[in-house]
Amino acid sequence: DTGVSQNPRHKITKRGQNVTFRCDPISEHNRLYWYRQTLGQGPEFLTYFQNEAQLEKSRLLSDRFSAERPKGSFSTLEIQRTEQGDSAMYLCASSYPGYEQYFGPGTRLTVT
Amino acid sequence: GENVEQHPSTLSVQEGDSAVIKCTYSDSASNYFPWYKQELGKRPQLIIDIRSNVGEKKDQRIAVTLNKTAKHFSLHITETQPEDSAVYFCAASSNTNAGKSTFGDGTTLTVKP
Repeated sequence: DTGVSQNPRHKITKRGQNVTFRCDPISEHNRLYWYRQTLGQGPEFLTYFQNEAQLEKSRLLSDRFSAERPKGSFSTLEIQRTEQGDSAMYLCASSYPGYEQYFGPGTRLTVT
Repeated sequence: GENVEQHPSTLSVQEGDSAVIKCTYSDSASNYFPWYKQELGKRPQLIIDIRSNVGEKKDQRIAVTLNKTAKHFSLHITETQPEDSAVYFCAASSNTNAGKSTFGDGTTLTVKP
């Protein structure tokens, strides 16, 4: 499968725990984006990378969120001390600069 | 920052009818406008896009129009089929914003057979 992949697909965690998600973009794409989607809403931008450099973070991203893309390939998104309001679908997308974004299947996070 | 508004939030049509979804954007620097279809539990998939240097683009039963002056763009689906039923999202982005997309809140389209 040459599309964008994300793992895990589902994650249930207790409030206060840390979680980490992984995104594997399309291999030739140097841009990688993270979005968050809640029910009934469109995806909201969180952060993006060009190669390994994280070039922008949304104000939505509190200090509990961190993202990395260490070798310019896969990326991880970590949420520390999860809260119930973090429950959402976390989507990853990749692209060439100036071209359409291809989305992964998402990781659905449920914080209990 | 960019703000995208999408209307209507729900749309129900009979099979064979046309469906139109409208979006407005606020940032005049936006120059790329994709439309995504998202089926329940699945990833958003690009169905058509338009750049600011053209006013209209068509792909079989789907067309998108763009009015830069009024800052609005629309998705037109003709001869709708039940498999067109899904949530449709419009988005706006610009090269100056590194292509990050600002999405509308979606339109749930139901095509009744």
